[in-house]
Amino acid sequence: DQQVKQNSPSLSVQEGRISILNCDYTNSMFDYFLWYKKYPAEGPTFLISISSIKDKNEDGRFTVFLNKSAKHLSLHIVPSQPGDSAVYFCAASAHRDDKIIFGKGTRLHILP
Amino acid sequence: NAGVTQTPKFRVLKTGQSMTLLCAQDMNHEYMYWYRQDPGMGLRLIHYSVGEGTTAKGEVPDGYNVSRLKKQNFLLGLESAAPSQTSVYFCASSLKVPAYTEAFFGQGTRLTVV
Repeated sequence: DQQVKQNSPSLSVQEGRISILNCDYTNSMFDYFLWYKKYPAEGPTFLISISSIKDKNEDGRFTVFLNKSAKHLSLHIVPSQPGDSAVYFCAASAHRDDKIIFGKGTRLHILP
Repeated sequence: NAGVTQTPKFRVLKTGQSMTLLCAQDMNHEYMYWYRQDPGMGLRLIHYSVGEGTTAKGEVPDGYNVSRLKKQNFLLGLESAAPSQTSVYFCASSLKVPAYTEAFFGQGTRLTVV
């Protein structure tokens, strides 16, 4: 039973345009959401997070939106740059839980 | 600043052999985790630890054992390796409850079981 779903295995976006990566979750106890970025042959690195008390969090070119009623979050990257080509993992955790659950990831290709 | 270091980086095992993967962190983090990454499956939690001397099962614990005898080290053991355990293994650590602080990952161990 997959609790965090990233239904798009891959996404191609033109350089300079907006990249939108989507994530759905099923566990209503989740109240904190994170995005991690992973390059080949490296470990994932933290990108941005959002608490369920917010519906938006912004950090430079990266913005995460949370729609609690739809159990959906999205990561927006504007403008997309070549270095953004990577696998992006959506992750979630419940309050006081000791672990985070990851989705399957979305591979983002930024086209020149 | 080493962060999270995994040893070894690559290993080939024969079916039935045993091995231990070592994870070491120098950030004085309480929480440590072992994940495996498989094509199309994302990152799945194997076992984790919330402090020295503690361990707990994650999503896919079968076939693995762990120990956290020292705060800075988290060992993942395979007692009798199977081809299904061919994967890339990532260790991670975080200062406290992972929802409220980022987790730092090692570079991974690529394990092939033949």
